[in-house]
Amino acid sequence: DTGVSQDPRHKITKRGQNVTFRCDPISEHNRLYWYRQTLGQGPEFLTYFQNEAQLEKSRLLSDRFSAERPKGSFSTLEIQRTEQGDSAMYLCASSFSSGRYNEQFFGPGTRLTVL
Amino acid sequence: AQSVTQLDSQVPVFEEAPVELRCNYSSSVSVYLFWYVQYPNQGLQLLLKYLSGSTLVESINGFEAEFNKSQTSFHLRKPSVHISDTAEYFCAGLNYGGSQGNLIFGKGTKLSVKP
Repeated sequence: DTGVSQDPRHKITKRGQNVTFRCDPISEHNRLYWYRQTLGQGPEFLTYFQNEAQLEKSRLLSDRFSAERPKGSFSTLEIQRTEQGDSAMYLCASSFSSGRYNEQFFGPGTRLTVL
Repeated sequence: AQSVTQLDSQVPVFEEAPVELRCNYSSSVSVYLFWYVQYPNQGLQLLLKYLSGSTLVESINGFEAEFNKSQTSFHLRKPSVHISDTAEYFCAGLNYGGSQGNLIFGKGTKLSVKP
């Protein structure tokens, strides 16, 4: 399978703990996006990488959130001091930049539950 | 504000009946428009897209959507649905307010096809 993969698929944690998620994009894709999807809502953009550079962050990405893509391949999203409001599905997508439009391919998501 | 609005959160329909899932976009969203489908416990899959050209776009499984600039709409239709079409459908537009074109999603419409 050469699609976008995410690990873990599910994570349950206690409030105040730190969690880290991993995303492995499609191998030739240079762009990687993180989105968050809460119950009853569509996915909302969090941040974006082109190769290893983090080029954009949304206002949703508080200072407790940090994302990296150290070698321009896989990416990690860390949430420090988790809060119950962080409970959501975290989606990763990747694309290959080509002109103005680039189709984004989504992974299955990591579902985070903060107790 | 940049937004994509899906007017119906849930649409129940009987098998073989026609269905329309409504989507409107704000004029500040680019006119690159998409419909994604999310089956239970799976990631988002691109169903169809409008980039330019013919205002009527089709998917391989019988769905179609029509871009209507004057009504700022991109409704999704299928003349005869199957049980297997039961899923959540997300309308999205490409955001060119950001630097790299992240997607802006609607809240989703849950299509439930009953026998």
